[in-house]
Amino acid sequence: DADVTQTPRNRITKTGKRIMLECSQTKGHDRMYWYRQDPGLGLRLIYYSFDVKDINKGEISDGYSVSRQAQAKFSLSLESAIPNQTALYFCATSFYNEQFFGPGTRLTVL
Amino acid sequence: RKEVEQDPGPFNVPEGATVAFNCTYSNSASQSFFWYRQDCRKEPKLLMSVYSSGNEDGRFTAQLNRASQYISLLIRDSKLSDSATYLCVVNRGSSNTGKLIFGQGTTLQVKP
Repeated sequence: DADVTQTPRNRITKTGKRIMLECSQTKGHDRMYWYRQDPGLGLRLIYYSFDVKDINKGEISDGYSVSRQAQAKFSLSLESAIPNQTALYFCATSFYNEQFFGPGTRLTVL
Repeated sequence: RKEVEQDPGPFNVPEGATVAFNCTYSNSASQSFFWYRQDCRKEPKLLMSVYSSGNEDGRFTAQLNRASQYISLLIRDSKLSDSATYLCVVNRGSSNTGKLIFGQGTTLQVKP
């Protein structure tokens, strides 16, 4: 079984809809991250959490929110999806600096 | 200026060739450096960490020049399976912040 899993793997939705992307990990890491990747751009950090009670904004947090339900679970929400949030979303975990990524969620907002 | 800049790609090389990728970073306080590999539409995976003394893993050699804020990756005897995008990654700030900055990536295509 994969150490970092993401659901759903693909999602098509409409503008204005609320969407939740979920991430689970079995690596026992305290640190979890959400990134988005767009063609021609590097991975950009949306939010990160260093433990269950810690939530921090990354460089592009506007339009997103997160919830750290447990050490192993970190979910990303788009309260009202818009087309420019169409992207590939990755969850990652780490103990220190080396990060391990989930398989990604491909989100399309029409 | 981007915090992490990589060579523009794509690099198209024949099998067996040696290819080098370069990367520069802007934050002199950065302490941790990595090369990640990303296959098309897949997640990035750690290829190797980069240490001050340089390090080698089989056909792959990574070098760090702190004075010039420059990182390199050398791939010898390229294989078809090396075709991928290589991401230069640097931690933001000093020590163990856990926050990484990813370069845009350099695409390598190895041809028969």
